[in-house]
Amino acid sequence: SQTIHQWPATLVQPVGSPLSLECTVEGTSNPNLYWYRQAAGRGLQLLFYSVGIGQISSEVPQNLSASRPQDRQFILSSKKLLLSDSGFYLCAWMPATNEKLFFGSGTQLSVL
Amino acid sequence: DAKTTQPPSMDCAEGRAANLPCNHSTISGNEYVYWYRQIHSQGPQYIIHGLKNNETNEMASLIITEDRKSSTLILPHATLRDTAVYYCIVRARGSQGNLIFGKGTKLSVKP
Repeated sequence: SQTIHQWPATLVQPVGSPLSLECTVEGTSNPNLYWYRQAAGRGLQLLFYSVGIGQISSEVPQNLSASRPQDRQFILSSKKLLLSDSGFYLCAWMPATNEKLFFGSGTQLSVL
Repeated sequence: DAKTTQPPSMDCAEGRAANLPCNHSTISGNEYVYWYRQIHSQGPQYIIHGLKNNETNEMASLIITEDRKSSTLILPHATLRDTAVYYCIVRARGSQGNLIFGKGTKLSVKP
């Protein structure tokens, strides 16, 4: 069966520090991959999506970047975190065979 | 993808049916209606989707109007664990990438 792993569950980082959040999917191949962010009390904001290795589409210009070095690995990064980067970050995947989106358990990022 | 409009919040008594509306007046002929829900501090969960026929699964029923400009998600016997934010999304099947979530409806199931 397919599973999605996202870590860490919580993260506290100082302003100006780098960020790397990793997401991996198991049990499937060539999935679409997504990074969403949810600020406190707000809706889900799509940040990046990828339809293949090395293919990244950005939905919102910002302080973050994404990479897909392997088929089932999606990484969210920042060189220097801002206070406004705080939020709940969710990785998701969509199999090639259907249109359902499956989410990871999320990372609560607090930038102080 | 077409935009959707949902009420920001709704209440429902435990054991009663919860009917969550969604307007998607600009939906295209090839766009499906999807419903997800998000329980606090968790990732969203897929509920159901449909094109033009009504759909039912173990979680809910989806009623789509004949003109497809609106739909209703029905939880037949709401429980306290159904308290969540419910998102209605329209998306063309096979479209590349983006799946846009609106603000959804916060459903509060009360005892």
